[in-house]
Amino acid sequence: GAGVSQSPSNKVTEKGKDVELRCDPISGHTALYWYRQSLGQGLEFLIYFQGNSAPDKSGLPSDRFSAERTGGSVSTLTIQRTQQEDSAVYLCASSLLQGSNQPQHFGDGTRLSIL
Amino acid sequence: AQSVTQLGSHVSVSEGALVLLRCNYSSSVPPYLFWYVQYPNQGLQLLLKYTTGATLVKGINGFEAEFKKSETSFHLTKPSAHMSDAAEYFCAVSEEGGNYQLIWGAGTKLIIKP
Repeated sequence: GAGVSQSPSNKVTEKGKDVELRCDPISGHTALYWYRQSLGQGLEFLIYFQGNSAPDKSGLPSDRFSAERTGGSVSTLTIQRTQQEDSAVYLCASSLLQGSNQPQHFGDGTRLSIL
Repeated sequence: AQSVTQLGSHVSVSEGALVLLRCNYSSSVPPYLFWYVQYPNQGLQLLLKYTTGATLVKGINGFEAEFKKSETSFHLTKPSAHMSDAAEYFCAVSEEGGNYQLIWGAGTKLIIKP
């Protein structure tokens, strides 16, 4: 597809389980971003990748959160031992180049619900 | 430090009326400014951006925004609202020569009354 693809679109799981969220950026985009959007809130930055490297992990809320990117393409965000406060929409975005004037292109998100 | 303020978490206008969504920013260097729209259950879509050049920027769906340095503002307007414009709108800023990060406003939900 031409856009950023995220899967699954919805995920419901029990507290304490691990979840893995996937992001497939636009082909050729070197920069990839993960955000969290809680109900009725703005965007909370989680992590940024330039290629396969993550220069800035400062937004990850706890050590239960991790992310990786392989082949300069697909990225996975993993949440271990999920808690109810992890319930949110997780958005992925990519941009062609690193740079402060580059627009970010978003996927439709994964809606995560922790029971 | 950079920050973005969107005045009004909710704005309600009648169909056919002017849409005005306000965005003010703080930045110590020339900013890059963006407006994104988010429809229900979707990701964010770029409406328009200002980087350099003309301060009046035209975007998709009939929206435009004007960068006013003296007022540190980048308000979004549309002359005539349509029902399909109902969505949440986010303003974001980054800095020339800065890093990749966009600083986001809290969003404004636009409600269109028939």
